[in-house]
Amino acid sequence: NAGVTQTPKFQVLKTGQSMTLQCAQDMNHEYMSWYRQDPGMGLRLIHYSVGAGITDQGEVPNGYNVSRSTTEDFPLRLLSAAPSQTSVYFCASSYSPTSYEQYFGPGTRLTVT
Amino acid sequence: EDQVTQSPEALRLQEGESSSLNCSYTVSGLRGLFWYRQDPGKGPEFLFTLYSAGEEKEKERLKATLTKKESFLHITAPKPEDSATYLCAVIRGGADGLTFGKGTHLIIQP
Repeated sequence: NAGVTQTPKFQVLKTGQSMTLQCAQDMNHEYMSWYRQDPGMGLRLIHYSVGAGITDQGEVPNGYNVSRSTTEDFPLRLLSAAPSQTSVYFCASSYSPTSYEQYFGPGTRLTVT
Repeated sequence: EDQVTQSPEALRLQEGESSSLNCSYTVSGLRGLFWYRQDPGKGPEFLFTLYSAGEEKEKERLKATLTKKESFLHITAPKPEDSATYLCAVIRGGADGLTFGKGTHLIIQP
C-alpha cells in the first residue's frame, strides 16, 4: 500500500491563479480531509468528506473547493490564489468517520506570490 | 470552542535524559486524544489514541497517559532519532475533524 499520496510536493503560484492539489489513498478509507499548517499555528481543518459524493466545510474553508467523486481521490481546488493561502497542505484519511485515527500524506508546500 | 495547548514549545535534552511533554485540553465530550510525531518536511505520523481518563499506551521509549484535563507523553531514555515535533490533537463527538495543538519541538543531543 502506498498509503496517502499527494501531488505536487512543491508549487509556486501567482496571485489570482488557480490550481488543484491532488490527494489519493489506496486503503479504501471512507473519511478524507484536508488541513493546512502554518508557522506558529496548529493544523487547521479546511474541508472533509465522509464518503464519495459527500463533502463539508471545516474550520477554514474560504477560498477552497473540494469534490469526492471516488473513494480514492479527494482533490483540493484553489480558485483564485491569495498570498494568505501560502502554507503546507496535508491530506489525511481514516477508515470511517468514527475511526478517528487519521493517516496523513507527505504534504504540499504552496507559495503564493 | 475546543482548545489544545502544548508545553513546552521546545525542549532540548541530552541522550538518555527522560522527560515529559504536556498537552492540556478543553473540549466538551472528548471522544479521543491523539499523539502524532512530525519530522521536518513530512506529514504527521500517528502514535497513539487515548479514549478515557486513566488510559495509558506505550510504544518503545514513548508512553502516553490521559487525565480529564491533560495528557502527557513520557519519553524514557531518549535517543537522537526521537528528535521531532510532537503534536497533540483531540476530537469530540460529532466533530468534523481533529483540533491540534501547536506542537512541542523536541531535540535530543548525543
